[in-house]
Amino acid sequence: QKEVEQDPGPLSVPEGAIVSLNCTYSNSAFQYFMWYRQYSRKGPELLMYTYSSGNKEDGRFTAQVDKSSKYISLFIRDSQPSDSATYLCAMSASTGANNLFFGTGTRLTVIP
Amino acid sequence: ETGVTQTPRHLVMGMTNKKSLKCEQHLGHNAMYWYKQSAKKPLELMFVYSLEERVENNSVPSRFSPECPNSSHLFLHLHTLQPEDSALYLCASRWGTGSNEQFFGPGTRLTVL
Repeated sequence: QKEVEQDPGPLSVPEGAIVSLNCTYSNSAFQYFMWYRQYSRKGPELLMYTYSSGNKEDGRFTAQVDKSSKYISLFIRDSQPSDSATYLCAMSASTGANNLFFGTGTRLTVIP
Repeated sequence: ETGVTQTPRHLVMGMTNKKSLKCEQHLGHNAMYWYKQSAKKPLELMFVYSLEERVENNSVPSRFSPECPNSSHLFLHLHTLQPEDSALYLCASRWGTGSNEQFFGPGTRLTVL
């Protein structure tokens, strides 16, 4: 069983739609959860960083963690064509850990 | 990008060639990483350097050889690679032990013929 499972997509939505991206994981020790965005021909950039369970909002983006279900989500409201990218979830059991466990990434296209 | 830079951006090499990938971080970080990114696979951590000492080597074949001459520079020396080594090689850096945030470079797209 993979440590982190993520639907690779691709996912296509019309502009303005609400997007839901998800990851599940198997290791209950994971406490730190991240979402990275990777544009074509670029490296991943950190989008959201959360600790333990709960929600975190930043503009149009909301990260949600449900540790009881071992499930994390990233919601994008009012999606824009500039949101078209691959979204990677990542997680670790401790702060400052060298080993981040990544999902395979979900490729999102927002159609104007 | 001015944070973490990588050169070259694209590289095509034969199986008998020797080449090197270069990474430079301008963020004052003290840990640097090499990752391999292949299609439909999670990022694979290859090597970690902390304060210029290698702290992790995740069962990477010896045809990949890292070098970290100082905290700002990281190299990946390549020798007698295989076609399955074709991938995007990403460098990342991080500051200290209080954060999990890693800052990535744009990557080198490597094709082994």
